Amino acid sequence: LAKTTQPISMDSYEGQEVNITCSHNNIATNDYITWYQQFPSQGPRFIIQGYKTKVTNEVASLFIPADRKSSTLSLPRVSLSDTAVYYCLVGDNNNAGNMLTFGGGTRLMVKP
Amino acid sequence: DGGITQSPKYLFRKEGQNVTLSCEQNLNHDAMYWYRQDPGQGLRLIYYSQIVNDFQKGDIAEGYSVSREKKESFPLTVTSAQKNPTAFYLCASSPHLAGGPNEQFFGPGTRLTVL
Repeated sequence: LAKTTQPISMDSYEGQEVNITCSHNNIATNDYITWYQQFPSQGPRFIIQGYKTKVTNEVASLFIPADRKSSTLSLPRVSLSDTAVYYCLVGDNNNAGNMLTFGGGTRLMVKP
Repeated sequence: DGGITQSPKYLFRKEGQNVTLSCEQNLNHDAMYWYRQDPGQGLRLIYYSQIVNDFQKGDIAEGYSVSREKKESFPLTVTSAQKNPTAFYLCASSPHLAGGPNEQFFGPGTRLTVL
């Protein structure tokens, strides 16, 4: 299974851009990179998913270099409500031998 | 409204008792999953099912059992063989079986406490 490494925690201030980088050195050809957000006592919520280059949606951007061995989740102008745990997952969820696996995540604390 | 529901939200049980956690989805998703989350930790996969009447063990299946008799339902039984069952349990589903990106949708979770 492709494993991921991401910082345990990060601090930021309201209005700043936050970039969380995830390393996935053994990513496979069919793997997608997916990011989830989780608030305490809630289920994770999908943020963004990509395969290569850059993906952008209404809440975040995902940057993936050509070698795909890392990825960066970018949250523009964070607010207090963005305080949460962010998980980077790598895998092909349709392949029983390579299920998406949640690691420990990155705890983002946004301060006023 | 389409979604995935779990019940109950809080559950208490005595040691030695089996307990079943409910998970239902009306998203017409083929795949369903059960995760366990301990305080301050990430999610760990217990069981998953990619189709009705079929399911596979995840990373921590010991002491748990599941069934998938209907597409919409994937109940999890925590048996007395599970040594440390107190945790937050999350159910998820995803749309399709083969190829391409595949987002998982999560339920609100069930917090199980063993007394």
